[in-house]
Amino acid sequence: SYELILPPSVSVAPGQTARITCGGNDIGSKSVHWYQQKPGRAPVLVVYDDSDRPSGIPERFSGSNSGNTATLTISRVEAGDEAEYNCQVWDDTDEHPVFGGGTKLTVV
Amino acid sequence: QVQLVQSGAEVRKPGASVRVSCKASGFTFTRYYMHWLRQAPGQGLEWMGIINPRGDSTSYAQKFQDRVTMTRDTSTSTVYMEVSSLRSEDTAVYYCARDGAVGALDWYFDLWGRGTLVTVSS
Repeated sequence: SYELILPPSVSVAPGQTARITCGGNDIGSKSVHWYQQKPGRAPVLVVYDDSDRPSGIPERFSGSNSGNTATLTISRVEAGDEAEYNCQVWDDTDEHPVFGGGTKLTVV
Repeated sequence: QVQLVQSGAEVRKPGASVRVSCKASGFTFTRYYMHWLRQAPGQGLEWMGIINPRGDSTSYAQKFQDRVTMTRDTSTSTVYMEVSSLRSEDTAVYYCARDGAVGALDWYFDLWGRGTLVTVSS
């Protein structure tokens, strides 16, 4: 099955920029979707199709995807952005969606 | 209000079955594919299966093929998922989620229910 690799944790100061990477073999050829999940809550879609934002998601959230790495960028990080972030793609081999292991974003 | 409201927490013994419901409101239910996913304690998200807008076609992840049944009732805008032959490893939060495409399939999830905790314990 297709494997997605994310760093276990990322720390950033308020007001700074956080970049969360999602690695996968030739992931640049796939559509990548990103979710935010706070403890005890359902995931929320923050970026879809590599770089599109759902309505209601701040412009501070952006995405890019090329080669073997997709990146979620959060600009002007706020305390409320502290959450787990995860990427998801379609696995062509097993023919179903797959998720990475998630990254814990800490705002310090 | 656009939302998915799931049924409450359940506790089952090993070998039993459980059915979880998910009622949609605020959007045209019959235009969307619906998915079920789960998240075991401390684990990642796992896709379980999908049901088409009319409710006459389903597709399940291979590991759930023999134990999961998804249905939908368009008259009440509700989707259901039943898991049979439960084991302790099925203890998880089960989520329903809407596919991101209208009238098509895009394989991402733009609206989620709040989750239903199913605990399997003797």
